[in-house]
Amino acid sequence: AQSVTQLDSHVSVSEGTPVLLRCNYSSSYSPSLFWYVQHPNKGLQLLLKYTSAATLVKGINGFEAEFKKSETSFHLTKPSAHMSDAAEYFCVVSVGGGSYIPTFGRGTSLIVHP
Amino acid sequence: DAGITQSPRHKVTETGTPVTLRCHQTENHRYMYWYRQDPGHGLRLIHYSYGVKDTDKGEVSDGYSVSRSKTEDFLLTLESATSSQTSVYFCAISERQDFVFAGELFFGEGSRLTVL
Repeated sequence: AQSVTQLDSHVSVSEGTPVLLRCNYSSSYSPSLFWYVQHPNKGLQLLLKYTSAATLVKGINGFEAEFKKSETSFHLTKPSAHMSDAAEYFCVVSVGGGSYIPTFGRGTSLIVHP
Repeated sequence: DAGITQSPRHKVTETGTPVTLRCHQTENHRYMYWYRQDPGHGLRLIHYSYGVKDTDKGEVSDGYSVSRSKTEDFLLTLESATSSQTSVYFCAISERQDFVFAGELFFGEGSRLTVL
């Protein structure tokens, strides 16, 4: 079984300040981990993915995430928020070797203040 | 962009009527998924497919059925629509990266269904 918990339903930051969106996962096997972003009334776009040995993953638009197995975490960070980062962010876990059923967190809404 | 199209993109229907949503892909990916998105719930899996004629239930499958007769098409059917099925429905596809790691999901643009 697998599950994912996004620890904050809403995160509010000022433009130019760091962003931290937290994600914890549970998985019986080696997980594949993803972050997706959804802008209002849009589809979902891949930000980054952990599917290799490199634990620090860099994605698009300056986002990165670190896979920490001991903490079962995959937090998303960005050094400096931009107004265009305001969106819904989803953490996803999927376990390979079988039916590849991706499980979504409930999402974190990122609000960016000018 | 991955070639995934959903149809219809918008539909309004009445309680008790059947509804079919179609997902068509041109990527030849093995895995296909139907999710529904509702505020506060993220995306919840309805059904998924791991090959032609191979499908299985997700966490919110009650009231839904699926069929996959060709690699490229995955149909979601609401046999008798209810107001609780008002939602945005997303189709997604993926392929395995290797034996250990899953590939990323590619999404359609979504189908907004309103059941009156």
